[in-house]
Amino acid sequence: DGGITQSPKYLFRKEGQNVTLSCEQNLNHDAMYWYRQDPGQGLRLIYYSQIVNDFQKGDIAEGYSVSREKKESFPLTVTSAQKNPTAFYLCASSLMGGTEQFFGPGTRLTVL
Amino acid sequence: AQSVTQPDIHITVSEGASLELRCNYSYGATPYLFWYVQSPGQGLQLLLKYFSGDTLVQGIKGFEAEFKRSQSSFNLRKPSVHWSDAAEYFCAVGAPGTGTASKLTFGTGTRLQVTL
Repeated sequence: DGGITQSPKYLFRKEGQNVTLSCEQNLNHDAMYWYRQDPGQGLRLIYYSQIVNDFQKGDIAEGYSVSREKKESFPLTVTSAQKNPTAFYLCASSLMGGTEQFFGPGTRLTVL
Repeated sequence: AQSVTQPDIHITVSEGASLELRCNYSYGATPYLFWYVQSPGQGLQLLLKYFSGDTLVQGIKGFEAEFKRSQSSFNLRKPSVHWSDAAEYFCAVGAPGTGTASKLTFGTGTRLQVTL
């Protein structure tokens, strides 16, 4: 079945540690996205990538980093510079120029 | 810049009653419009989308939405709500594709509670 997988589903880290969230898709989509979701704030775009080895900052990129070495994979690193990293993180993908985005099941990150 | 407003944070309806969730957008031209649904702790599922043409759009699970340019609205409707419709609903707006990635702007969501 085609889709987007995110792992792990739940992640706990100590304050000051970097953590990497995985996102993989087998839809053959060119574009991939990372969103952060907080209660009452909807989804906010962190980073997006249109092609391999290229990515752009979204609205709230500070404290995050990404890479796009393969078309299928778009990992997100939450660095120690992110002041409030506890949130629900959603990965999505779409065809180039296609505006419909398909979402993964999400990763809930809790920083203790 | 594009923006989306969902004025209702929380709505409660009885099972079998009709539903309308409001969405207003701000965009300079005709945008692409979407409604997504999210169950607790899950990802988002697309309910329906509007790109062009007929302003009344049919989606999955018996939902429909109507694009009204004069009101900058894209309200979601369902004639008879089922208990399984309880979830959070997000309206989103995107710029018509120019060959680049499709950046969407989401509203803050409306949480639907269904009473039996």
